[in-house]
Amino acid sequence: KNEVEQSPQNLTAQEGEFITINCSYSVGISALHWLQQHPGGGIVSLFMLSSGKKKHGRLIATINIQEKHSSLHITASHPRDSAVYICAVRYLSGGGADGLTFGKGTHLIIQP
Amino acid sequence: KAGVTQTPRYLIKTRGQQVTLSCSPISGHRSVSWYQQTPGQGLQFLFEYFSETQRNKGNFPGRFSGRQFSNSRSEMNVSTLELGDSALYLCASSLAAGYIQYFGAGTRLSVL
Repeated sequence: KNEVEQSPQNLTAQEGEFITINCSYSVGISALHWLQQHPGGGIVSLFMLSSGKKKHGRLIATINIQEKHSSLHITASHPRDSAVYICAVRYLSGGGADGLTFGKGTHLIIQP
Repeated sequence: KAGVTQTPRYLIKTRGQQVTLSCSPISGHRSVSWYQQTPGQGLQFLFEYFSETQRNKGNFPGRFSGRQFSNSRSEMNVSTLELGDSALYLCASSLAAGYIQYFGAGTRLSVL
């Protein structure tokens, strides 16, 4: 079974710290997604990437296809960044692509 | 532009009943995916539809079914409800498969 592993599971940091969340997967993918989920359930798609690096505001996502690894970085973290961050991949199979497979999420708390 | 709309937001059913959940995608989006989220299993992929055709299906029993209409609206149905079906059901839409997904607020189903 293809898995998506995230680390750490829980992370508490002080406001202003640089945050890194890691994601690794097992076989070839067509794309990797980073999602943010706030209490109450709403999910926001932060990034979708298949190579390289993307940046949006204080968020940076990178992916290394050879190492099957991605990182999500938050610079100058703020309490409003407190949320669960979820990595998801779309695996390649049989000439097509499967539905998304999700990691278990990283629960991030930024303290003022 | 209106976001992804899911109805109802909350639902309480008893074991053995069936339930239908609805999802209206963002205007112009032709792909709709459904996900189940539980505390134990996290997010899991249910189905993906594009232009009224099911493209992918996750590892769920046949009690879970879905469809997509010509206006891209989608419904999912769960028959013979079990206690374990209690979950947050999320719908996401995208322009097409493989594009970034936009999530609805979800339907929280409780099975008693």
